[in-house]
Amino acid sequence: AQSVAQPEDQVNVAEGNPLTVKCTYSVSGNPYLFWYVQYPNRGLQFLLKYITGDNLVKGSYGFEAEFNKSQTSFHLKKPSALVSDSALYFCAVNYGGSQGNLIFGKGTKLSVKP
Amino acid sequence: DAGVIQSPRHEVTEMGQEVTLRCKPISGHDYLFWYRQTMMRGLELLIYFNNNVPIDDSGMPEDRFSAKMPNASFSTLKIQPSEPRDSAVYFCASRTGRLSGNTIYFGEGSWLTVV
Repeated sequence: AQSVAQPEDQVNVAEGNPLTVKCTYSVSGNPYLFWYVQYPNRGLQFLLKYITGDNLVKGSYGFEAEFNKSQTSFHLKKPSALVSDSALYFCAVNYGGSQGNLIFGKGTKLSVKP
Repeated sequence: DAGVIQSPRHEVTEMGQEVTLRCKPISGHDYLFWYRQTMMRGLELLIYFNNNVPIDDSGMPEDRFSAKMPNASFSTLKIQPSEPRDSAVYFCASRTGRLSGNTIYFGEGSWLTVV
């Protein structure tokens, strides 16, 4: 069965420090991987995606993610965190079939302290 | 460009009442999705449409829930009768094309409280 795991419910970092939000997946076939961010009382906003090609993907707001096929991971990273990055982050996978829907992880709450 | 538009943004209703949530997808998008978000269960796909046709409704919780897409620019999610456990945020989302790698864009959600 296709699945996505975000092993951390919450990640706490100090402003200016690098941040990592972890994601692992389990799919058959080639995965299409996504990161979304949700601010309080808002919808999900697309950050970045991996479809094919370069394993390092750059996205909005200075975020990037690295696809690692051997470790089946797609961790979200940012070199220097901002307080305004505090939000709920979701990893999602579409396993490339014709169905076209996303399977989401449970989400990770990122808290950046000044 | 206008994104996915949902209404109402907030709804408080009494148990047993009918609730109708509305969605206008991004123009040109031929896939439309309804998701539900709760603290306990996270994000769940309820149903999705392709070219106005329901493709997978296996996530619809029970017969009290129904969804329609009468045309390419409008969809409804109806709950009748509503129950307190239906309290959640309901998101509509859309994307274009047949490639499953295309990005899905979300609306701002409809916050439903059933008392």
